[in-house]
Amino acid sequence: AQTVTQSQPEMSVQEAETVTLSCTYDTSESNYYLFWYKQPPSRQMILVIRQEAYKQQNATENRFSVNFQKAAKSFSLKISDSQLGDTAMYFCAFMKNGGKLIFGQGTELSVKP
Amino acid sequence: DAGVIQSPRHEVTEMGQEVTLRCKPISGHDYLFWYRQTMMRGLELLIYFNNNVPIDDSGMPEDRFSAKMPNASFSTLKIQPSEPRDSAVYFCASSPGRSGNEQYFGPGTRLTVT
Repeated sequence: AQTVTQSQPEMSVQEAETVTLSCTYDTSESNYYLFWYKQPPSRQMILVIRQEAYKQQNATENRFSVNFQKAAKSFSLKISDSQLGDTAMYFCAFMKNGGKLIFGQGTELSVKP
Repeated sequence: DAGVIQSPRHEVTEMGQEVTLRCKPISGHDYLFWYRQTMMRGLELLIYFNNNVPIDDSGMPEDRFSAKMPNASFSTLKIQPSEPRDSAVYFCASSPGRSGNEQYFGPGTRLTVT
C-alpha cells in the first residue's frame, strides 16, 4: 500500500523569505502523480502544484516549485517570496492510475509579517 | 462554473439520527470522490465513482455509511445511524476523465454528532 509522510507538522517563515516543505512517499508503482494541496482557514482545498512521475523536469507554478527525486521518493515544495496569504495547511498527496488520492498528514505553515 | 457544490455546509445532529450529505460535481466531470477529514486520521478517501458507478468503496468505514450517485450531477453520502465518532469534515471532489487530473474540491460539510 502507498503511504505519504510529511515529517514537519508545523513551520513558520518570515514574509518575503523562502521555505521548503518536505514530503516522502512509498510505492512500488512506476507511473503515478504527486500533488501539493493548500488548505487555508476557510478549509477549501486548493491545488498548488502537480507533478507527473514520468517527467524528470520539476514542476513550477509562479512562486511555487517542487524538487522531485524519484529514486529517493521525495517530493518537496518550495515557496519563494512568501506572502501572508500563503498561511495554510499544506498537504502532499499521491495518486496512481485510477484517481484515488492518498494524503500526508499535512504541514501547518505560518507566514509572519 | 460554480465549482463543486456541497450541502449543507454545517450539520449538527444527535446520535442515532440519519444524516444525508449532498454533492453536485462540476458539469462534465465523470469522477466523483467523497473524502473525510479528522484530526486523528487526516484526509481519507471513502468512496469514488466513475460515470456514476462506484469503483472503490474500501474506505467506507462500516455499513452505517452508504453513498449513491443516481445521475451525473448528484451524489449523496448517508450515515444511518450516526455516532459521535462520525464528527468530521466531509469533502466531495470531482475531476475530468483522464487519470492524474486535478481533483476539484467542494467547500466541505462540517458534521457534528452529539
